Amino acid sequence: AQSVTQPDIHITVSEGASLELRCNYSYGATPYLFWYVQSPGQGLQLLLKYFSGDTLVQGIKGFEAEFKRSQSSFNLRKPSVHWSDAAEYFCAVGRADGLTFGKGTHLIIQP
Amino acid sequence: NAGVTQTPKFQVLKTGQSMTLQCAQDMNHEYMSWYRQDPGMGLRLIHYSVGAGITDQGEVPNGYNVSRSTTEDFPLRLLSAAPSQTSVYFCASSSEGSSYNEQFFGPGTRLTVL
Repeated sequence: AQSVTQPDIHITVSEGASLELRCNYSYGATPYLFWYVQSPGQGLQLLLKYFSGDTLVQGIKGFEAEFKRSQSSFNLRKPSVHWSDAAEYFCAVGRADGLTFGKGTHLIIQP
Repeated sequence: NAGVTQTPKFQVLKTGQSMTLQCAQDMNHEYMSWYRQDPGMGLRLIHYSVGAGITDQGEVPNGYNVSRSTTEDFPLRLLSAAPSQTSVYFCASSSEGSSYNEQFFGPGTRLTVL
């Protein structure tokens, strides 16, 4: 069965610092991978997705993620975070009936 | 385009009451789904539909019913609410009848069952 692990429940980063959020997946075939962001009280917004091809994918708001098949990872990165990036981040793997989500990483931005 | 809309935003029920959470999308998407979000659990799939007249169960379907009479609407019914159904519910839709495409999420309904 598919599963997604986000090892970090909370991460605190200073404004302007770089960010990496970790995601590991378990999936038998080539995975369809997604990162979503949820601002407080809001729905989820897609940041980026990986289906095939270039393993480094660019998303919105300056985010990127790298697919590493050998490590079963799809980590999200941003070179310089802004206070507005404070939110909950979810990694997900697609399957025929829906998405399997990780439990999320809560990002806190320190001034 | 309004995208995916959900009503109500908030609801409080007593144990045993019934209610319907509404979801509508104006993007002509074939695929629609319902998720529940609980603290520390991420989102879990309740039911989904790949087109009008076609529905199926997800990971956590017990206590919920769905129907899909039109492409636009996908209501979620709680027949006899239980405290374990206290959660935030999200509706989502995707094009081309597949969840492998980007899913667009509604703003959510926060449900409390007393």
